[in-house]
Amino acid sequence: EVQLVESGGGLVQPGGSLRLSCAASGFTFNSYWMTWVRQAPGKGLEWVANIKDDGSEKNYVDSVKGRFIISRDNAKNSLSLQMNSLRSEDTAVYYCARDLSLMILLRWYDAMDVWGQGTTVTVSS
Amino acid sequence: AIQMTQSPSSVSASVGDRVTITCRASQGIRSDLGWYQQKPGKAPRLLISAASSLQSGVPSRFSGSGSGTDFTLTISSLQPEDFATYYCLQDYTYPRTFGQGTKVEVK
Repeated sequence: EVQLVESGGGLVQPGGSLRLSCAASGFTFNSYWMTWVRQAPGKGLEWVANIKDDGSEKNYVDSVKGRFIISRDNAKNSLSLQMNSLRSEDTAVYYCARDLSLMILLRWYDAMDVWGQGTTVTVSS
Repeated sequence: AIQMTQSPSSVSASVGDRVTITCRASQGIRSDLGWYQQKPGKAPRLLISAASSLQSGVPSRFSGSGSGTDFTLTISSLQPEDFATYYCLQDYTYPRTFGQGTKVEVK
């Protein structure tokens, strides 16, 4: 069964750090880009970051650049998100997701086809 | 960043109704758009990629169309399990951006 399981969420004070993990199973992890998406309480989805299959390329939303670091360990089928200098606005459920690259009519498209159940991060004093 | 604007923000509908949700991009994104369904307390689910390509296992009552800046998700005959919030997501450029969501509610 294809599965993603996040862990590492919790309560942290403003300015603190937290490291999220996502354990992948049931598919060839090192063949896929991976993504983090978050959802603040009662709000919509926000794309946070993604990382190439071999870890050589990373992309971030502006609001987390310089504070968050996405990484992966393909030997352990694991994705991570190191979150530093946390702010109250980082409070959210964080989901990891698998990026599916599709070729349709000779063009590549991306979509997130497998999602974890989410882990909750609360930034509060 | 590209802004994605969905309308309406919410829609009240009955089982069997045809429901249409639109998503407009602040600049052209070709067909680089996906649609996701999310139920309360659950992770999102991919419905459609490349604007109109139905994901495996998704019922055929869901369809997507559009290219450039204007896109549509249509549910041809709403079923009880379709009451949820729907999001569009552009994968044309970084950062990826979601629409604000459209909640499909019971009328």
